[in-house]
Parts: sequence; C-alpha cells; structure tokens
Amino acid sequence: QQQVKQSPQSLIVQKGGISIINCAYENTAFDYFPWYQQFPGKGPALLIAIRPDVSEKKEGRFTISFNKSAKQFSLHIMDSQPGDSATYFCAARSSGNTPLVFGKGTRLSVIA
Amino acid sequence: EPEVTQTPSHQVTQMGQEVILRCVPISNHLYFYWYRQILGQKVEFLVSFYNNEISEKSEIFDDQFSVERPDGSNFTLKIRSTKLEDSAMYFCASRGTAGGEQFFGPGTRLTVL
Repeated sequence: QQQVKQSPQSLIVQKGGISIINCAYENTAFDYFPWYQQFPGKGPALLIAIRPDVSEKKEGRFTISFNKSAKQFSLHIMDSQPGDSATYFCAARSSGNTPLVFGKGTRLSVIA
Repeated sequence: EPEVTQTPSHQVTQMGQEVILRCVPISNHLYFYWYRQILGQKVEFLVSFYNNEISEKSEIFDDQFSVERPDGSNFTLKIRSTKLEDSAMYFCASRGTAGGEQFFGPGTRLTVL
C-alpha cells in the first residue's frame, strides 16, 4: 500500500530525444507527487511536483503527466541533454507532516 | 538561496562505535527528517521530527537510533552502536510548512568497517 513502483530501472536516450519514466502507486491517500533528480554524491533535488487536481504540469523541458484513475504518473524530459544524465526518483506522500515514499529510481543516461 | 547543510560529508567508523551525524536545516523550517540510501538503492524514510519530538518513524529506526535538536539550529542523528548494514548515505531534509516542499541536504556517507 505504501509502495511506489518505478520503471524502467535504467534508460539510455539519444541527445534531443524524449525520456519517459513511469511510476504507479496504490495508496489513494497520496496527494502530492514530486520528482527528484540526483547526481552522484549529491542529495535529491526537487525537479517538479504535481497534485492530483491537475492531469499535467509543465516546467521548461520537464512535464509530469498524472492519471488519477489509473494511479499512475510519469515524467517526460523533452529534448534530453547529456547534463540531464542522473538518477530520477518519483515519490509520493499524503497530506500533512507525512514522509515521502520513494520509488527505486531510474538511472538516465543521455548520449550524444 | 537557503540550503540544508550536513556534516561530515564522509564518516568512517568501526562496528559497534557510536556516530553522530549533524544537519543544519533551513532557517525557520519547522519539520525535519532523516532518510537513508544504501548504495544503489532507493531513498528510505527513517524519522520525522516536529515541535521537539518525533512525529513518525519507520521500522528501520530502532532503539539504536535517536534524534535530537540540541539548539535552535542543529538537528542530529545518533547511531549508538553501528552495524555493518548501517553503511549508507544519510540525508537530512527540512520543510517549512506541513504541505510544503522538502529540501534535502547533500548527505553524509557513513562507512562502517
């Protein structure tokens, strides 16, 4: 119930291509869905987040698509660049002072 | 831009020794967290802290672990008797409001020999 399932585990994308990472959850009490970007040796940094009252949120090249009925959300990185190469974690939490539940992460490599 | 800081960046200790990991959350934040990440695995929640007490803890946070906010700025995680399996990156995070964004520190890499 508390798990967030993330796929794929790793992803290789050509420069300029679209990177797509998917997550699914079971707990319907979750109401905040962030994506974190992590570079080696660094802490997770918030990339973009969405709440279930909208189906899509876009910030620059990054878009979250959210499907409440399917309990799925995904991250799309348009025009992927080598600098986007990092590990991406989806996460979820319910309202109030509750901890984040993280997916297992996706290692993205963008090759020129 | 305000940020969460953590010290030390890397701690090496012998099994059975006590370690204290230190964090300075963002000033005026009220909610504090510790997470850990075993190499190559996902980030796992350990404990949350609000109003000078633990608000929630995971099954990982057993009696060997404790947290403290000894003054107005520091937030510490103590592992009383380290085990080999405690080797991981430990991240501190803080949040200003209950529904706000969590900001993570750069982490402390703990190596237990």
